[in-house]
Amino acid sequence: NAGVMQNPRHLVRRRGQEARLRCSPMKGHSHVYWYRQLPEEGLKFMVYLQKENIIDESGMPKERFSAEFPKEGPSILRIQQVVRGVSAAYFCASSSGWPTNSPLHFGNGTRLTVT
Amino acid sequence: DQQVKQNSPSLSVQEGRISILNCDYTNSMFDYFLWYKKYPAEGPTFLISISSIKDKNEDGRFTVFLNKSAKHLSLHIVPSQPGDSAVYFCAASAMDSSYKLIFGSGTRLLVRP
Repeated sequence: NAGVMQNPRHLVRRRGQEARLRCSPMKGHSHVYWYRQLPEEGLKFMVYLQKENIIDESGMPKERFSAEFPKEGPSILRIQQVVRGVSAAYFCASSSGWPTNSPLHFGNGTRLTVT
Repeated sequence: DQQVKQNSPSLSVQEGRISILNCDYTNSMFDYFLWYKKYPAEGPTFLISISSIKDKNEDGRFTVFLNKSAKHLSLHIVPSQPGDSAVYFCAASAMDSSYKLIFGSGTRLLVRP
């Protein structure tokens, strides 16, 4: 887990508010992957980004969710007008490129609670 | 449609004995398999992996076995230690999209002292 930094660790939002989750990849990594874990389930792929590009967003819900990875700064997963159903743990991983022979290494996640 | 299944939600083992965690998959396109270990409030930690060209991979106390014809893999931990108590996730992917891991729902392992 060392190296991929996610913040905040815990985030509480009321229904209808926006949530912004940040992921700083390991040093030298320019590829970021977001996953989501719903209660009692395994992680599910959401999106794969390179700097300034979305490569694969096949796992992103069609509503509310967007992601970016700007040239400078962390990757942001943005959830607009949150509802209770988006309460989950969100994990980020990074790599120096793809394909990669290395397995994905994840950060410690952001636990989002919608009240 | 669960492509990766871990049918045992929990497993309890005595310290020093073998822990065997099982995982089944349905997609024959999967050719890369991993095990992750997760403690509460932390991210998943990579443990061991195996590609479909092998049927066994060993790393210290951890061994992963792959049976392609049965679409089954297992993780053996010998000897089990109390610090191994965690949730273990099996994951699979196809090599051409190895970043898109498909996870099982996890098995909670408790190693009793």
